[in-house]
Amino acid sequence: DIQMTQSPSSLSASVGDSVTITCRASQTISDYLNWYQQTPGKAPKLLIYAASSLQSGVPSRFSGSGSGTDFTLTISSLQPEDFATYSCQQTYNTPRTFGQGTKVEIK
Amino acid sequence: EVQLVESGGGLVQPGGSLRLSCAASGFTFRNYDMHWVRHITGIGLEWVSSIDTSGDSFYSGSVKGRFTISRENAKNSLYLQMNNLRAGDTAIYYCARDSGIYLGRASDIWGQGTMVNVSS
Repeated sequence: DIQMTQSPSSLSASVGDSVTITCRASQTISDYLNWYQQTPGKAPKLLIYAASSLQSGVPSRFSGSGSGTDFTLTISSLQPEDFATYSCQQTYNTPRTFGQGTKVEIK
Repeated sequence: EVQLVESGGGLVQPGGSLRLSCAASGFTFRNYDMHWVRHITGIGLEWVSSIDTSGDSFYSGSVKGRFTISRENAKNSLYLQMNNLRAGDTAIYYCARDSGIYLGRASDIWGQGTMVNVSS
């Protein structure tokens, strides 16, 4: 199975800050990497697919990059509604493993 | 409106069974691969199972042999039969639609989730 490792596991930031979350795969996954946002009590929401493509309706302050084994999610100018948990998922093969999640908290 | 609605969760004793259902609407269900994903408190999201448009199924190692995914295209419905449940299966279970190979095979539509609690 492909292991997905996210870092950091949590971070504190202020409204307006820019934050970057990284996700590393245990083997190459090309660009089969997606990012999700989840807030308590709600279903995950797709933000970025295929490593760098913005899902329809997602604000442009979210961006993704990377290929192979190393990927990043960047949120420029954090907004109050962005405080949530972010998870990466590889869809290169089955099982479609997720990272452990990164909780973005208000400083 | 594109929508997925899960049902069937509840409290069950270890070793028991549950059948989850997911009703799809607003899109041509038979044209999409579908997934079950669970959220375990303190651990995060875990992919559980998938079924493609041909009916071929795939499972995580932790549920293989205990869970069975199925679909009924005529009813726009996805199912997850869960047998021999364990405490570690306690989670919120989501059904999700696969966006397809040209869109990264991401899960682009999610249901609201149904809670499964395995406890004596």
